Amino acid sequence: QKEVEQDPGPLSVPEGAIVSLNCTYSNSAFQYFMWYRQYSRKGPELLMYTYSSGNKEDGRFTAQVDKSSKYISLFIRDSQPSDSATYLCAAASGGSYIPTFGRGTSLIVHP
Amino acid sequence: SQTIHQWPATLVQPVGSPLSLECTVEGTSNPNLYWYRQAAGRGLQLLFYSVGIGQISSEVPQNLSASRPQDRQFILSSKKLLLSDSGFYLCAWTADVSGNTIYFGEGSWLTVV
Repeated sequence: QKEVEQDPGPLSVPEGAIVSLNCTYSNSAFQYFMWYRQYSRKGPELLMYTYSSGNKEDGRFTAQVDKSSKYISLFIRDSQPSDSATYLCAAASGGSYIPTFGRGTSLIVHP
Repeated sequence: SQTIHQWPATLVQPVGSPLSLECTVEGTSNPNLYWYRQAAGRGLQLLFYSVGIGQISSEVPQNLSASRPQDRQFILSSKKLLLSDSGFYLCAWTADVSGNTIYFGEGSWLTVV
């Protein structure tokens, strides 16, 4: 079992929809959780990171971590065609140099 | 601000030829440096990471090698490329020992023919 699981999609939504992207993880030692956005043929871009459980909001993006259920979510409000990309979640434990990445979910926002 | 540069962006190499991909980070000192490979539909595969000059850890045994000749320079090499080496190679860095803020370069597309 992979330590961070993510549905590859694709997830197709109409413009303006609320998007929910999710990951599950199995390692209880994970304390840091990240979301990356990757456009086609580009390097991943760090979108958000959170420490431990809770929510973090940045503009249209909200990251949520539920450590009790080992569930990571990214919500995108008022989705735009420019949000079309692959979204990767990642997790890391304290003192580890190496985050563990999910395989990414492909999101398509159509006009 | 910190920036990461990676080159070349695209290359097509014949089987058996050597490879050298280079990465440099600006605006920070003593970063942790990483090389990843991303194959279509297979996610990110960590190849090497380095916590200091001359310190290289290999995650996946293969015909690739990495070197860190300077604090902010990381090089990925191969003496003889295989077809299976084709893919998208990403250099990354972090200043945080927890790896929770890792930043990627733009990537290098390698096609071995």
